[in-house]
Amino acid sequence: DTAVSQTPKYLVTQMGNDKSIKCEQNLGHDTMYWYKQDSKKFLKIMFSYNNKELIINETVPNRFSPKSPDKAHLNLHINSLELGDSAVYFCASSQETGVQPQHFGDGTRLSIL
Amino acid sequence: DAKTTQPPSMDCAEGRAANLPCNHSTISGNEYVYWYRQIHSQGPQYIIHGLKNNETNEMASLIITEDRKSSTLILPHATLRDTAVYYCIVRVAGDDKIIFGKGTRLHILP
Repeated sequence: DTAVSQTPKYLVTQMGNDKSIKCEQNLGHDTMYWYKQDSKKFLKIMFSYNNKELIINETVPNRFSPKSPDKAHLNLHINSLELGDSAVYFCASSQETGVQPQHFGDGTRLSIL
Repeated sequence: DAKTTQPPSMDCAEGRAANLPCNHSTISGNEYVYWYRQIHSQGPQYIIHGLKNNETNEMASLIITEDRKSSTLILPHATLRDTAVYYCIVRVAGDDKIIFGKGTRLHILP
């Protein structure tokens, strides 16, 4: 069973559109994250949620809105897509406290035409 | 900015031990050393972490120097499937934010 799953795996769309990426984890973790990996392969955190509450927001444009309907899901909605949004987006999860590592999904490759 | 320094790339022969170094000279007493790797087209995968003692699990061993300013990840018997970018990260316990640097691209040679 996949621990952290993201859909879709690939997303190709036009500039200006609105799109969503879904993430689900079956590990029973309390905290979930979104990361962005750009064309230069730098991986940067965007958001983290703990029990549906926003914990980290790394000055991401407000066109990006994470939504957590329950602690097993953290979806990412992006409005008015721009060329610079093209990247691979990774979802991750971890236990709430201590030194527990983060577990990552396999990413969603977003391409803006 | 990442608080670690790693060589950009390394080669290792298949079946040999791969030793990946990491410098973290500004590490503070409550920061752990973590290692992740990213195989092409996959998400980062946790490998191992430690505070000051050496650690070993089914994937790798982590050797941390006594002054904690550097560490080495050891893959005891490298296989072609170990070809990946390896990230060394320092992180305070309970801090959810992981800062990834550029990592080391490890090539396993047949």
